[in-house]
Amino acid sequence: NAGVMQNPRHLVRRRGQEARLRCSPMKGHSHVYWYRQLPEEGLKFMVYLQKENIIDESGMPKERFSAEFPKEGPSILRIQQVVRGDSAAYFCASSAGLNQPQHFGDGTRLSIL
Amino acid sequence: KNEVEQSPQNLTAQEGEFITINCSYSVGISALHWLQQHPGGGIVSLFMLSSGKKKHGRLIATINIQEKHSSLHITASHPRDSAVYICAVRSSETSGSRLTFGEGTQLTVNP
Repeated sequence: NAGVMQNPRHLVRRRGQEARLRCSPMKGHSHVYWYRQLPEEGLKFMVYLQKENIIDESGMPKERFSAEFPKEGPSILRIQQVVRGDSAAYFCASSAGLNQPQHFGDGTRLSIL
Repeated sequence: KNEVEQSPQNLTAQEGEFITINCSYSVGISALHWLQQHPGGGIVSLFMLSSGKKKHGRLIATINIQEKHSSLHITASHPRDSAVYICAVRSSETSGSRLTFGEGTQLTVNP
């Protein structure tokens, strides 16, 4: 019974490139959350999605960041034209419902050269 | 001021000691989570609670809704308990399930 799977674990990009982070929720979970942990800082909410719908994106930067959770396949967090300040650990969590416990993946560590 | 405040920020203990980590929050909540983040960076959910007390092994979590305060206790601490412990709340004042996190408590248990 696999947990939340994130890949890649580590991602290195040069400034200006695109970064794609993937998250496969636990089996049976249809709610996905993305969080970002900047170096030496706490976790911050980015976006909450259900299948094919963005429910709450109030934590997403206004530009360059987007997220999707298609009917088939993993949720994707996409960062276009990356900058050094995007270097962080990005965590995905999933839950079976609105008020259910969230289970976290191991995160993707994004480094921008 | 952060919506979720943890204390202490850093805690060093000797193996076997009883440990308490505190969390105070300033918003109405529907649930509070305690999470553990190991040096490798992965996050494990320890507890989700909305009232009273929960126990799992050597870990105990309590919450006082009226005082907007929660504590995480570790009995008979062990070096493998060394990690960052994070308190997170789900606000009842906003829609959705977003969590707001404390800054974490770095616990080091020495043998």
